[in-house]
Amino acid sequence: QKEVEQNSGPLSVPEGAIASLNCTYSDRGSQSFFWYRQYSGKSPELIMSIYSNGDKEDGRFTAQLNKASQYVSLLIRDSQPSDSATYLCAVNCWTNFGNEKLTFGTGTRLTIIP
Amino acid sequence: DAGVTQSPTHLIKTRGQQVTLRCSPKSGHDTVSWYQQALGQGPQFIFQYYEEEERQRGNFPDRFSGHQFPNYSSELNVNALLLGDSALYLCASSLGDRWNYGYTFGSGTRLTVV
Repeated sequence: QKEVEQNSGPLSVPEGAIASLNCTYSDRGSQSFFWYRQYSGKSPELIMSIYSNGDKEDGRFTAQLNKASQYVSLLIRDSQPSDSATYLCAVNCWTNFGNEKLTFGTGTRLTIIP
Repeated sequence: DAGVTQSPTHLIKTRGQQVTLRCSPKSGHDTVSWYQQALGQGPQFIFQYYEEEERQRGNFPDRFSGHQFPNYSSELNVNALLLGDSALYLCASSLGDRWNYGYTFGSGTRLTVV
């Protein structure tokens, strides 16, 4: 089982609609969860972080965390063409040596259709 | 306030050669982490440097080595290059253990091995 799993997509959403991106993780000890946006050919950009169960809102973005289900999601409201990118879920995972490392999923490619 | 800077931006090398990539962390950050991102994949953790020592390492062979200097800048060295080493190499900086607040990534170095 992969440490962090995402649907690779592509996910197509009409402009103005809600885009929903999902991520599951395997390490029950994980405490920190992040969503990064990556435009083609560019480096990842942090857009949301969440540490507690529930919802966290920032503008058009809402991150949702359910530690019992080991599930984290990102909702993008009023989707814009500029939201078209790959979205990476990242989770802190414990290594065999007792250290933490930030582990990324493979990313979901999102396309907003005008 | 300078962000994370990486050099060079692009690099083409031949199989068997050696390469050195460089990273300067964001001002005030003292920890540098290196990631490899193959096309269509999420970033994979290579290693992390703190106080000039390798603090943790991912599942990469010994051909991948690094160094951190007293000014917190870092180098990633790859020996005996393979075609499969072609990827975007990302450097991320953080402050000590406060990476839980999310990494800041540099713009990356695109390495092509031919």
